[in-house]
Amino acid sequence: DTEVTQTPKHLVMGMTNKKSLKCEQHMGHRAMYWYKQKAKKPPELMFVYSYEKLSINESVPSRFSPECPNSSLLNLHLHALQPEDSALYLCASSQDERQAGGYTFGSGTRLTVV
Amino acid sequence: AQSVTQLDSQVPVFEEAPVELRCNYSSSVSVYLFWYVQYPNQGLQLLLKYLSGSTLVESINGFEAEFNKSQTSFHLRKPSVHISDTAEYFCAVKKVGGSQGNLIFGKGTKLSVKP
Repeated sequence: DTEVTQTPKHLVMGMTNKKSLKCEQHMGHRAMYWYKQKAKKPPELMFVYSYEKLSINESVPSRFSPECPNSSLLNLHLHALQPEDSALYLCASSQDERQAGGYTFGSGTRLTVV
Repeated sequence: AQSVTQLDSQVPVFEEAPVELRCNYSSSVSVYLFWYVQYPNQGLQLLLKYLSGSTLVESINGFEAEFNKSQTSFHLRKPSVHISDTAEYFCAVKKVGGSQGNLIFGKGTKLSVKP
C-alpha cells in the first residue's frame, strides 16, 4: 500500500457544525502533515506530527484541532469555521522527520463552509 | 531560509511541442529539490526529485529536470507534451537535514496543453 487515503472527498458544513477530516496511511511513515490549499495557490503547512506527537503548529486558529490516534491515522477536527476556511485540505506523510525523499499526499478533502 | 521562485504562472503549449517550466531557488545551505504535479481536483503527486548524485533526474512519464547549482535552478522539461499533461506543477525545496515541516513550495505553474 503506497497511498494516503483521505475521507471524505467533499464536505459542506455550516459555521456552527462540528466535523472531522480523516487521513490514513499504511506505509509505516512516522511523520504526517496537514496542509491547506486555496484555489490557485500552493499548499500551506498547518500541522506536523512526528511519531504521533504534534511537533509543528503553524499558528493555526483553534477552530482547527488535529489528532493523531496512532501511527497510521491523522484527524483534523473542525468547529465553528468561517467561510474563508473553505479550501482543499491535504494530508501527507513521510518516513521520518528528516527523510530525504518527498512526501506522499492524499487526494484531499474539498471543504466548503456555508 | 529557503525560497522558491517559479517564474511562469501559466504556460500554454500545443500538443507534441516541447516545454520547460522554470524553477529557481534560494538557500544558504544544501537542499533537496522536488517537482510535484497536481491534476484538477486532486492532491499532489511527486513527479521527480533530486537528492544527490547525477544532476539530471527523470520521471517515468517523460519529464526530466536538471539541478544546476551555479544557477540555483531546477527546471522541468519534456520534449513532447500530451493533453494529459495539463495540470499545475509545483517546485519545492527542503533543507538537507531540516525538520519535517521544511518543505517549501513555489507558487506553481499551470501547464495547459492544447490540441
